[in-house]
Amino acid sequence: DIVMTQSPDSLAVSLGERATINCKSSQSVLYSSTNKNYLTWYQQKPGQPPKLLIYWASTRESGVPDRFSGSGSGTDFTLTISSLQAEDVAVYYCQQYYSTPYTFGQGTKLEIK
Amino acid sequence: QVQLVESGGGVVQPGRSLRLSCAASGFAFSTYAMHWVRQAPGKGLEWVAVISSDGSNIYYADSVKGQFTISRDNSKNTLYLQMNSLRAEDTAVYYCARDPDAHYGSGPMDVWGQGTTVTVSS
Repeated sequence: DIVMTQSPDSLAVSLGERATINCKSSQSVLYSSTNKNYLTWYQQKPGQPPKLLIYWASTRESGVPDRFSGSGSGTDFTLTISSLQAEDVAVYYCQQYYSTPYTFGQGTKLEIK
Repeated sequence: QVQLVESGGGVVQPGRSLRLSCAASGFAFSTYAMHWVRQAPGKGLEWVAVISSDGSNIYYADSVKGQFTISRDNSKNTLYLQMNSLRAEDTAVYYCARDPDAHYGSGPMDVWGQGTTVTVSS
């Protein structure tokens, strides 16, 4: 199984500042034949289902504000929120869909400082 | 609008069975793979199972293999999860989610339902 490890577990950032969340996979999720990283980022607010933010490691889902961006390849990935807004308070998960079982990171709780 | 609505959750005694349903609307259900994902109280997300658009490819997490069965009825636009021999550790909110990779369900989960709660307790 591919183990997904996020860091940090929690993060407090001031409004308008940058937030960075890291995700590391235990093996590469880059599929050579497509040259795509099978990695997504989800946002989950309290009492709500997860919401897709980023897929293929760096493609923003339609309707997601452009302050959210994803980067990385192979085994190391980053979700960046360029200017934190109050509505971004949530838990963020990375997930690999390279191979079953499709595993999630443990989550990173993002709060306002 | 595109929507997934789960139902069938509830309180069940250990060892009993439960069948969850996920009703899809607003999109061509038969052209999407579908997943079940669960979340235990206060915990993170755990992928449970995936079924391809035509039901020919199915994969399970080891934690539920042999215990849960995923299926779908494309004529009814509905996804199912049959859960047998339930244990306390199966207590969770169960979400269904859509996947645009029809053949293998190896894509991003782009639409999620609101979830249905399963509590296994005596």
